[in-house]
Amino acid sequence: GQQVMQIPQYQHVQEGEDFTTYCNSSTTLSNIQWYKQRPGGHPVFLIQLVKSGEVKKQKRLTFQFGEAKKNSSLHITATQTTDVGTYFCAGINSGYALNFGKGTSLLVTP
Amino acid sequence: DTAVSQTPKYLVTQMGNDKSIKCEQNLGHDTMYWYKQDSKKFLKIMFSYNNKELIINETVPNRFSPKSPDKAHLNLHINSLELGDSAVYFCASSQDITEAFFGQGTRLTVV
Repeated sequence: GQQVMQIPQYQHVQEGEDFTTYCNSSTTLSNIQWYKQRPGGHPVFLIQLVKSGEVKKQKRLTFQFGEAKKNSSLHITATQTTDVGTYFCAGINSGYALNFGKGTSLLVTP
Repeated sequence: DTAVSQTPKYLVTQMGNDKSIKCEQNLGHDTMYWYKQDSKKFLKIMFSYNNKELIINETVPNRFSPKSPDKAHLNLHINSLELGDSAVYFCASSQDITEAFFGQGTRLTVV
């Protein structure tokens, strides 16, 4: 079945540094979604990418979908302490549910 | 109004007991899900259900069973609880596998 791999598992940065998490799928994805989960919270939808090579921005966050639609990345510019949390990518699993990567936990120290 | 609500938020119970977690969504979505998040934060799909079809992840023990009295509710019943069932369980809903809305989670501790 489809496997969604995500790296790194953990990232610790100083406030103001940039951060990137990468997502790779074993199969071509129809779309990819990104979620953020704050400590003690629940996953919250950030964005969905559909088109090959698509790039979308949300303030300091930049999301990319690979040309082959098998990989994606999330880049945060100039991290802030409010960016702390776990970031998950997710692809559709056999057509019935989202298949989540294992997430990248981001820690930002002031 | 909370879009996806699940109760209880915390559940502590002994091994061997049977328990239920309730979930309700007021978004009018056609599909609801149960996910299990273990201590390493891995989100694993357990069930997907819409008003036509229940799809079960084959790795889920049959001690777990979803029950949907109507389109807005998907409850999770767990029989003969085991220590390894301790985790956070999230209910979610979506329309046509688009953006998923998650409940606040239920932290289940089996002692």
